[in-house]
Amino acid sequence: EAGVTQFPSHSVIEKGQTVTLRCDPISGHDNLYWYRRVMGKEIKFLLHFVKESKQDESGMPNNRFLAERTGGTYSTLKVQPAELEDSGVYFCASSQRDTINLYGYTFGSGTRLTVV
Amino acid sequence: SQQGEEDPQALSIQEGENATMNCSYKTSINNLQWYRQNSGRGLVHLILIRSNEREKHSGRLRVTLDTSKKSSSLLITASRAADTASYFCATDAIPTDKLIFGTGTRLQVFP
Repeated sequence: EAGVTQFPSHSVIEKGQTVTLRCDPISGHDNLYWYRRVMGKEIKFLLHFVKESKQDESGMPNNRFLAERTGGTYSTLKVQPAELEDSGVYFCASSQRDTINLYGYTFGSGTRLTVV
Repeated sequence: SQQGEEDPQALSIQEGENATMNCSYKTSINNLQWYRQNSGRGLVHLILIRSNEREKHSGRLRVTLDTSKKSSSLLITASRAADTASYFCATDAIPTDKLIFGTGTRLQVFP
């Protein structure tokens, strides 16, 4: 079974530019989450999709961040315009609702975003 | 903030020694999970313990959970240099389905 795939693995952009991160969850997983770890600090929740619907976006830092999950499959996270403080590692995770308590979540390898 | 706390923040040991990391959290939970992050890489799921369990083993890992104290510990026995990484506890909070991570423990194992 393929795991959670994130693309790109690294991205270096200039302040003010736009970057789009992509996450392909495990096939059949309804739940999809975005998290980020900024500057070696704690890992913070950004948002949660159930299929194509945003279940919880309370962690989105501001309106420069836009997440979508068209058709309930892959998800994108767009940062526009990027600021220096957006640098960090962005993680995506997926889970199946009825097996969360057995297997937990599967995380992708992350996208390391550097804004210069 | 609902973030959990982990201690110690950093731990340095020699190969072969045991490493113990502790985690405290604030809310009622469905389960508690431990993850590892090697430098610059993704999060790897290590072990999940449900709220009605008190202890769980997986290979060299032993996890305990005390829901009355809202705390958990991760013990890595006979550590190896390859265990060098950051370790995070994460709680699957009630009633949400999102993980809330602890602050992490940075473990360094010297050969």
